[in-house]
Amino acid sequence: KAGVTQTPRYLIKTRGQQVTLSCSPISGHRSVSWYQQTPGQGLQFLFEYFSETQRNKGNFPGRFSGRQFSNSRSEMNVSTLELGDSALYLCASSDSSLNTEAFFGQGTRLTVV
Amino acid sequence: AQSVTQLDSQVPVFEEAPVELRCNYSSSVSVYLFWYVQYPNQGLQLLLKYLSGSTLVKGINGFEAEFNKSQTSFHLRKPSVHISDTAEYFCAVSVRNTGGFKTIFGAGTRLFVKA
Repeated sequence: KAGVTQTPRYLIKTRGQQVTLSCSPISGHRSVSWYQQTPGQGLQFLFEYFSETQRNKGNFPGRFSGRQFSNSRSEMNVSTLELGDSALYLCASSDSSLNTEAFFGQGTRLTVV
Repeated sequence: AQSVTQLDSQVPVFEEAPVELRCNYSSSVSVYLFWYVQYPNQGLQLLLKYLSGSTLVKGINGFEAEFNKSQTSFHLRKPSVHISDTAEYFCAVSVRNTGGFKTIFGAGTRLFVKA
């Protein structure tokens, strides 16, 4: 079974630009969660999608948004990038009916310059 | 609201020594508990989980953890560490809410194993 795939692995953007990150969950998993990881703030929950609907949301500004497609693939978008958005963005999928564990991708390292 | 506290941000230890990484949580409802490990430039990998049943849980790579409901703790232990155990370890709590399940992670503990 293929794991969680995140693309791209690395990204450099300029302040003010926008960026879209992609996540393909494990086949059959309908829940996809996104996290931001920084040295100062640790792992912070962004949002969770289930069956194309946002089901849970963390405390991030509206510049951070996401969506999920009918095949469970998910994208997150960050608009008007700030230097502080530089982070490792992790995606996790789970079989949310059981919630036995979350499977993480390797992440996308975003650097804003 | 739920919260997770990992009491040590860094734990240095010599190879072959035992180690304990501490985790406390707060929740007014039943929780599922997890420990994940993250190696440099990688995502998180599940070490072990507690869903129900026996409070002593064994995971991969020789790790184990004990769920203590009265002390709301879920400490991770290994009797003898290896250099390859050097990584960051995250404790996580998952609770059911109206939107499904919500998982909260601790701030992480960096384990550094010295030769």
